[in-house]
Amino acid sequence: ETGVTQTPRHLVMGMTNKKSLKCEQHLGHNAMYWYKQSAKKPLELMFVYSLEERVENNSVPSRFSPECPNSSHLFLHLHTLQPEDSALYLCASSQVPGTPNEKLFFGSGTQLSVL
Amino acid sequence: AQKITQTQPGMFVQEKEAVTLDCTYDTSDQSYGLFWYKQPSSGEMIFLIYQGSYDEQNATEGRYSLNFQKARKSANLVISASQLGDSAMYFCAMREPYSGGGADGLTFGKGTHLIIQP
Repeated sequence: ETGVTQTPRHLVMGMTNKKSLKCEQHLGHNAMYWYKQSAKKPLELMFVYSLEERVENNSVPSRFSPECPNSSHLFLHLHTLQPEDSALYLCASSQVPGTPNEKLFFGSGTQLSVL
Repeated sequence: AQKITQTQPGMFVQEKEAVTLDCTYDTSDQSYGLFWYKQPSSGEMIFLIYQGSYDEQNATEGRYSLNFQKARKSANLVISASQLGDSAMYFCAMREPYSGGGADGLTFGKGTHLIIQP
């Protein structure tokens, strides 16, 4: 398997549930990202990990908790979400973070619905 | 102020015609990168083309070319000989130099929904 893989593809959860999104990259990259894509809005950067250390948070609510156990895996732990958190969550990776020609490779995303 | 502006929410184009998707950007940095991504209904963001701010020639990748006009801060995507499979959302993005202590990713526009008609 190559590229960036995200699971699950679809997730429906209640506001009191706890769930996790998983991302795995098979590209040998050094940085991984979580983006949120809501309808009619630009992609919003949520979290960045470079060499397994979190380097940006961008003021994301604490009900979203990222985890990067190694350079190939990234998780987004979700708890007590709100309906407005329903969106497509995209994971991405890059080889050389922080440079102007930094190309991001994306997964297919997890479509999250919060009821 | 928006850093990336895509003024065309949607476009309908006849198959085999060329199409231009507009993108303007705002930055005070001299060194930056500009990107175009395609997002089909499957959700995955697919990299199409990259242009560096110091590149003197317009970038080309197969049927894709980037019309880079630095003074106007414009980076339009041109798709030649459009195909039905080109129907998708298209996003323009920019990477500026990082000003802090780590990486901070790409800034995206709102996108253009391109529909190719047979």
